[in-house]
Amino acid sequence: GAVVSQHPSRVICKSGTSVKIECRSLDFQATTMFWYRQFPKQSLMLMATSNEGSKATYEQGVEKDKFLINHASLTLSTLTVTSAHPEDSSFYICSARSGALNEQFFGPGTRLTVL
Amino acid sequence: GENVEQHPSTLSVQEGDSAVIKCTYSDSASNYFPWYKQELGKRPQLIIDIRSNVGEKKDQRIAVTLNKTAKHFSLHITETQPEDSAVYFCAASKEGGSEKLVFGKGTKLTVNP
Repeated sequence: GAVVSQHPSRVICKSGTSVKIECRSLDFQATTMFWYRQFPKQSLMLMATSNEGSKATYEQGVEKDKFLINHASLTLSTLTVTSAHPEDSSFYICSARSGALNEQFFGPGTRLTVL
Repeated sequence: GENVEQHPSTLSVQEGDSAVIKCTYSDSASNYFPWYKQELGKRPQLIIDIRSNVGEKKDQRIAVTLNKTAKHFSLHITETQPEDSAVYFCAASKEGGSEKLVFGKGTKLTVNP
């Protein structure tokens, strides 16, 4: 089946620093990648939709200047949390869509802790 | 936009019993309804999905039903086992799943031995 990886799996950073999370589709080309955030004991909330070669589409209430998304190739999308604060601590999960299968495949997630 | 409601938020059953989780959606344009199982700290795993051109789908102990008129769909797990214990999420999407997924709030299922 289609495999999506994320790196890093866990990251701890100081308040005010920036953190980059990578999402890769390993065995298929992903024309679209989605970034979700999940707070403890809550559901997945879509942050943005990322299409290869174009600007990401952000959901209402998500600051595009704080959460920078780059989808430079058909197998890689990155999410950069800029000037991170403790309230940004969360589980960030990406998913990638295979155009051929019309299904989304989730990455393993990245646990971000901001001190 | 789409809004997905999920009930119950917690469900506790005895091993061997059946479990039913229900979801409603608001956007009649949604046509793809997946169900995910998520264990603590792990990614959501697709367990079954249904598209709007069918009313029911079954895979061993798991089944999903869809009522397009009423805009609701349900997950049925029969002969539950302790390893079924997890958080289950329903979701809805347009364009057969190629669009963004809108998730329900989740149901924590506990299967007691």
